[in-house]
Amino acid sequence: EDQVTQSPEALRLQEGESSSLNCSYTVSGLRGLFWYRQDPGKGPEFLFTLYSAGEEKEKERLKATLTKKESFLHITAPKPEDSATYLCAVQQETSGSRLTFGEGTQLTVNP
Amino acid sequence: DTEVTQTPKHLVMGMTNKKSLKCEQHMGHRAMYWYKQKAKKPPELMFVYSYEKLSINESVPSRFSPECPNSSLLNLHLHALQPEDSALYLCASSQRPPYWGRGTDTQYFGPGTRLTVL
Repeated sequence: EDQVTQSPEALRLQEGESSSLNCSYTVSGLRGLFWYRQDPGKGPEFLFTLYSAGEEKEKERLKATLTKKESFLHITAPKPEDSATYLCAVQQETSGSRLTFGEGTQLTVNP
Repeated sequence: DTEVTQTPKHLVMGMTNKKSLKCEQHMGHRAMYWYKQKAKKPPELMFVYSYEKLSINESVPSRFSPECPNSSLLNLHLHALQPEDSALYLCASSQRPPYWGRGTDTQYFGPGTRLTVL
């Protein structure tokens, strides 16, 4: 059975204090790994898709990386507006478009 | 443009009411999804439509009835709901239908409808 575990559950940072969020996964045949950002009461906003180990993608202060067992979302010099819940999800080769989500990491960036 | 729209934003209904949620996308996507999300939990898949046909029903109670009138529109009809059905209902769409083949398929989510059942 596919499993996705995100850590930490919650993270508090000071503005400008860089850190990383972790997403560990167990899936037989990875089709893709996705990162979403979700603000309270709103739908998840797509950030990145990673397809294969070694791949990296960047967007503003965010950088996502992928290995065969985990993905990291690195946040460089975060700002208060980066505060949100970050969701990781995997898509398995034989499960079509079905996503298996982690429980998310709630990030708070204090000014 | 990767926009999925949902109406209404908020809905309050009694257990005997009948209401509908609406979702629209104009990206030419051929798969559309309904998810339910409770507080501090990830989204849970409810239904998947592929080429306007229901392809996945995750054993959802019959008080939830999905409908896909055309390739851009998705509805969720609600009847005789329970208070525990209160949640954020999310619509999503993706370019390819499920089981398309190799290659991944990104889902884009709408803003959600906050449903409260009294």
